[in-house]
Amino acid sequence: GAGVSQSPSNKVTEKGKDVELRCDPISGHTALYWYRQSLGQGLEFLIYFQGNSAPDKSGLPSDRFSAERTGGSVSTLTIQRTQQEDSAVYLCASSLSLPDTQYFGPGTRLTVL
Amino acid sequence: QKEVEQNSGPLSVPEGAIASLNCTYSDRVSQSFFWYRQYSGKSPELIMSIYSNGDKEDGRFTAQLNKASQYVSLLIRDSQPSDSATYLCAVNKDSNYQLIWGAGTKLIIKP
Repeated sequence: GAGVSQSPSNKVTEKGKDVELRCDPISGHTALYWYRQSLGQGLEFLIYFQGNSAPDKSGLPSDRFSAERTGGSVSTLTIQRTQQEDSAVYLCASSLSLPDTQYFGPGTRLTVL
Repeated sequence: QKEVEQNSGPLSVPEGAIASLNCTYSDRVSQSFFWYRQYSGKSPELIMSIYSNGDKEDGRFTAQLNKASQYVSLLIRDSQPSDSATYLCAVNKDSNYQLIWGAGTKLIIKP
């Protein structure tokens, strides 16, 4: 079956612009996660969804970051007024339930100039 | 103390030898443990999960869990250059929580 998909695969933007990153989880997976990974670094947890609700938003780096999930499926991570330090690979993962095996998408590489 | 700790490496192992990767965790109530492999520029992919004390074998990989000592390890037998990657350990905090991730150990298999 189809895995987790993310779009775009690459995004180059100018400092101060807003960006939207999209994640399509595996069909039937109720849990969805967003991570950030800077070059050579480990996974930084951002937020997770159980269904459409986000019980834990503590990982979001600032109020410029927000995420939503609708219909228990697609999720969008929005970064407003991007900064150069936002440059990283943004990874999305989904799992059948909590805290099941997480399956990762290919990531979106964000570059803020 | 980090919740999940791994030696960052790099760990260099000759081809054909056994690679041993270790992970310690701080929360005694953790129940589920995962090893992921991440190749450079790629996303993490699951290698093994383990839930009970003892060993779990899958091909050349063996996961070992010791809840009393709060560590989980991954052994790779007959190491191949293609095993060169960063290995991530992940532990669940409780049954209704998402995974806590270690920073990963970089493994290099030398031909």
